[in-house]
Amino acid sequence: NAGVTQTPKFQVLKTGQSMTLQCAQDMNHNSMYWYRQDPGMGLRLIYYSASEGTTDKGEVPNGYNVSRLNKREFSLRLESAAPSQTSVYFCASSSSGGRGGDTQYFGPGTRLTVL
Amino acid sequence: GEDVEQSLFLSVREGDSSVINCTYTDSSSTYLYWYKQEPGAGLQLLTYIFSNMDMKQDQRLTVLLNKKDKHLSLRIADTQTGDSAIYFCAERGDKIIFGKGTRLHILP
Repeated sequence: NAGVTQTPKFQVLKTGQSMTLQCAQDMNHNSMYWYRQDPGMGLRLIYYSASEGTTDKGEVPNGYNVSRLNKREFSLRLESAAPSQTSVYFCASSSSGGRGGDTQYFGPGTRLTVL
Repeated sequence: GEDVEQSLFLSVREGDSSVINCTYTDSSSTYLYWYKQEPGAGLQLLTYIFSNMDMKQDQRLTVLLNKKDKHLSLRIADTQTGDSAIYFCAERGDKIIFGKGTRLHILP
C-alpha cells in the first residue's frame, strides 16, 4: 500500500495563476482532509470531506476549492494564486472522520511558492 | 475556542530523556495524539491515548495525561539523533486540533 500520495511535490506559481493539487489514498478511508502548514502556525485545516460526495469548510477555506472525485481522490484547487498561499500543503485521510479515535494518515506534502 | 499549546523548541543531549509538554482546552477531548514530522516529510502518528487513561508506554515512548489540568506529555527515553524532528500534539473532540509543534534538537 502506498498510503496517501500527493502530486506535485513542488510547485512555483505566479500570482493569479491557477492549479490543482492532487491527493489519493489506497486505504479505503472514508474521510479526507487538506491542511496547510506555515512556520509558527502549525497545521490549519482548509477543507475536509467526511465521506464521498460531501465536503465542508475548515478553518481557512478562502481562496480554495475542493473536489471529492471518488472515495480515493480529493483535490484542492487554487483558482487565482496569491503570495499568501505560499505554504506546504498536506493531504490526510482517516477511516471515519467522526468522533472517536480514528487516526489521520498524512501524505508527504506539496511545497507551493507563489511569486 | 479550542486550543492546543506547546513550547516551540527543546534541546536535549543524546542519551538523555526528552519531555515534550502540551496543554489543551477542550474538556470533551476523547483522544490525544502525538505526531512526528521529520524534515521534508508529512506527519507520522507516534502514539495516542484515550482520555480515560493516565499513562501509555510503548518502547521508548511514555505518554502521561493529566485530565484535570488538561496536560499531556511525551517522554522519549535514551534520545537518539534519529529523534530529531518536530513533534505535534493533537486533541480530538468534535474535530481534531493540532498544536504548533515542538522542534526537538539533539545535542552531541
